[in-house]
Amino acid sequence: SQQGEEDPQALSIQEGENATMNCSYKTSINNLQWYRQNSGRGLVHLILIRSNEREKHSGRLRVTLDTSKKSSSLLITASRAADTASYFCATDWQGTGNQFYFGTGTSLTVIP
Amino acid sequence: DTAVSQTPKYLVTQMGNDKSIKCEQNLGHDTMYWYKQDSKKFLKIMFSYNNKELIINETVPNRFSPKSPDKAHLNLHINSLELGDSAVYFCASSTPGTAYEQYFGPGTRLTVT
Repeated sequence: SQQGEEDPQALSIQEGENATMNCSYKTSINNLQWYRQNSGRGLVHLILIRSNEREKHSGRLRVTLDTSKKSSSLLITASRAADTASYFCATDWQGTGNQFYFGTGTSLTVIP
Repeated sequence: DTAVSQTPKYLVTQMGNDKSIKCEQNLGHDTMYWYKQDSKKFLKIMFSYNNKELIINETVPNRFSPKSPDKAHLNLHINSLELGDSAVYFCASSTPGTAYEQYFGPGTRLTVT
């Protein structure tokens, strides 16, 4: 299975602190994506990192990818209460590029 | 403007019934998906549909059947509903031009009693 697995399952931090979430997957990928899901809503795409990239930034988000360890991390700097959500990584499947398997998610709570 | 829409938002029905969930995207995307999210938030792909090619996840019971009348619509029909079908179902769409970044609908919460 291509399922990603996020770690930790739940994370609680104070506003202003940094939050780091990790994702591990099982087989080779073309792309890895991170998504956010607010309670009761659909998923929203945050950032994509390709297999030949090692690090990518978008605003307060920093994503790293280590294909040798089959893992990725998402760092949210200077967290805000509005960052409270579940975060999922998604990996594509057998190089098709258009089918993605999602991990189990990290539930992030940012305490004001 | 809503990018990916689903109807209904909530669906409560009894075991054994047949129901459908509709999905529409106005993004001009080529590929559409159905996902099932269980109570533990595990999101599982059920189907992807790309230019009339349907790719089925083998673990999905054949009671579930996607139907795509055109590129902008992918509906999900479920026969003989079971308690275990209770979940939130998400429709999504994507296109190769964005490396298949997916746009999700708001979800349909299905409760089978």
